[in-house]
Amino acid sequence: AQSVTQLGSHVSVSEGALVLLRCNYSSSVPPYLFWYVQYPNQGLQLLLKYTSAATLVKGINGFEAEFKKSETSFHLTKPSAHMSDAAEYFCAVSGLSGNTPLVFGKGTRLSVIA
Amino acid sequence: DAGVTQSPTHLIKTRGQQVTLRCSPKSGHDTVSWYQQALGQGPQFIFQYYEEEERQRGNFPDRFSGHQFPNYSSELNVNALLLGDSALYLCASKDRVNNEKLFFGSGTQLSVL
Repeated sequence: AQSVTQLGSHVSVSEGALVLLRCNYSSSVPPYLFWYVQYPNQGLQLLLKYTSAATLVKGINGFEAEFKKSETSFHLTKPSAHMSDAAEYFCAVSGLSGNTPLVFGKGTRLSVIA
Repeated sequence: DAGVTQSPTHLIKTRGQQVTLRCSPKSGHDTVSWYQQALGQGPQFIFQYYEEEERQRGNFPDRFSGHQFPNYSSELNVNALLLGDSALYLCASKDRVNNEKLFFGSGTQLSVL
């Protein structure tokens, strides 16, 4: 069975500060890993994905994540937070089969303080 | 190019009623999945449809059923509604070529009173 754990249901950072959102996964098979962002009253938007190529993955809006197999982690970072980054962020895992459903974490709400 | 569209955006029902939610996939996509997102939780997989058949199912009771039409659009039906069915229902579509990326709709917010 696959699962993800997002550490911290709420993270608050100052504008311009580093953003670090933590995600640890559990998978019995090599995983695909994803980060999605959800703005209020909207669906999910893909930020980035890891699909067994480069371990450092760059996404949209300046976000990136590093796959660390030894730590079973896939933490999301952004060097400098912007007010527009305030949203809910979800980490998700799936198997390598393209039809394996995504398993999501519970989410981390990011607040950015001016 | 329209993305994934869902209707209605909001819905209020009472316990015991039945509800139908609708989804039109992104152009070029033939596979539709449904997810339930309860308040404060991540989305949970309900089922996936391809070629008008249910291909995979998550841990949801038979009260949850679906359908896919020849034009790839899909419906989610929930019978005998419970208070706990109140959630945001998300539809996601993908194509068989690019299996790694799902496009999500904005969801239908269902409130059961």
